[in-house]
Amino acid sequence: DAGVIQSPRHEVTEMGQEVTLRCKPISGHDYLFWYRQTMMRGLELLIYFNNNVPIDDSGMPEDRFSAKMPNASFSTLKIQPSEPRDSAVYFCASSALLAASTDTQYFGPGTRLTVL
Amino acid sequence: DQQVKQNSPSLSVQEGRISILNCDYTNSMFDYFLWYKKYPAEGPTFLISISSIKDKNEDGRFTVFLNKSAKHLSLHIVPSQPGDSAVYFCAAKEDAGGTSYGKLTFGQGTILTVHP
Repeated sequence: DAGVIQSPRHEVTEMGQEVTLRCKPISGHDYLFWYRQTMMRGLELLIYFNNNVPIDDSGMPEDRFSAKMPNASFSTLKIQPSEPRDSAVYFCASSALLAASTDTQYFGPGTRLTVL
Repeated sequence: DQQVKQNSPSLSVQEGRISILNCDYTNSMFDYFLWYKKYPAEGPTFLISISSIKDKNEDGRFTVFLNKSAKHLSLHIVPSQPGDSAVYFCAAKEDAGGTSYGKLTFGQGTILTVHP
C-alpha cells in the first residue's frame, strides 16, 4: 500500500483565498483524522471520521474550516477564507480498528500551508 | 487546556548515551499511551506504545515507562544514535468509557538531537 496520500505538499496563498487540502487514506481503513501542527500547540486533532461520517469536530477552530469525506477513499479539508494564522502543517491520518486500544494511526506526509 | 504535556522542547545527547524524553498527562481516562517519531518533511510514525495495565514496555533500544500515580511516562533510547534525531510526540488515548473513544491527544513534541 502507498500509505496515506496528501496533496498538495506545499500551498502558498494570500489571505482571504479559499484553500482545499486533500487526503487519500490507506485502503481498508475506516477512520480518518485531520490534524494541524504548530510550534505553539504541537499536533492538534481538528476532526475525525468513521466510515465517512464525522464523529468529532470539536477541534475545528472556526466556521472558516470545514471537512468532508464523500467516500471511503477521499477527504478534503477546506479553509474559506484563509488567514495568516492558519499557516501550519496539516496532516491526515487513517486507522483500521479503534475498538482495540492497540490500534495506531498512520500519517500522511502533510501539507505545509502558508497564508500571506 | 493541554491534557498531554511535553515540557522539554528540545534535548541534545551524545551518540551512545541514553536519551530520556518525558511526558505528563492530566486526564485520568487515558488508558493507552504511544510515542510517535517525526522526521522533517514527513508525517509522524508510530514508535512504541504501552497499556495502562503495564509499567514498562521494551522494543529493542526503545523502552517506555509509565507511572500512573504520577501521570507520567518516559521514553528511553539506549544507546542513542544520530539517526534517532527527530521530533518525538507523546500521545494518549481514552478508554471505552470516555466520550472521545479512539481519539489520540498529542503533546507538543520534543526535538531530539543526537551528536556523533
